[in-house]
Amino acid sequence: AQSVSQHNHHVILSEAASLELGCNYSYGGTVNLFWYVQYPGQHLQLLLKYFSGDPLVKGIKGFEAEFIKSKFSFNLRKPSVQWSDTAEYFCAVNPAGTYKYIFGTGTRLKVLA
Amino acid sequence: KAGVTQTPRYLIKTRGQQVTLSCSPISGHRSVSWYQQTPGQGLQFLFEYFSETQRNKGNFPGRFSGRQFSNSRSEMNVSTLELGDSALYLCASSKGPDSYEQYFGPGTRLTVT
Repeated sequence: AQSVSQHNHHVILSEAASLELGCNYSYGGTVNLFWYVQYPGQHLQLLLKYFSGDPLVKGIKGFEAEFIKSKFSFNLRKPSVQWSDTAEYFCAVNPAGTYKYIFGTGTRLKVLA
Repeated sequence: KAGVTQTPRYLIKTRGQQVTLSCSPISGHRSVSWYQQTPGQGLQFLFEYFSETQRNKGNFPGRFSGRQFSNSRSEMNVSTLELGDSALYLCASSKGPDSYEQYFGPGTRLTVT
């Protein structure tokens, strides 16, 4: 069955620390990849997306992610986190042409001021 | 532009009852997806509609159903409610038919007692 794994369930960092959240998926075909963020009390928002082309994609608020096809991974990174990055982060995979989205269970990030 | 709206925002039902949740997509969006979000399972895909047609569905029992109207508004129905159906139900819209960026609503919090 298709699945998405986010290995870090809870992450605590100090401001200015670097962030990397892992995301691996199980699907052998073409995929579209997404990272969403849910700030406390807010809706899920799209952080960044990958459809094709350059495997290093940049999103909002200084986030970026790298698609490594051979590792079935789409890890999220940010060089220097801020207190306002405290949120829950979800990785999602859309197997091309299926109109179905598979989400990981999320990573709760807490940034200490 | 108004975002995705969901009604009601909160709902309390008892076991055995049925419930209908409503979703109005962003103006111009023709694809609507529904998700169930629980603390243990994360976001699980329920179904996706485009132009009143269900194009894919997740692994949920037949008690969960949905439909989409000609104005792209969508409803989902859960019959014979069980305690385990307590969750946040999220609706997401996208332009479609092949646009894969989803925009999420605030959700409907369903509590089954």
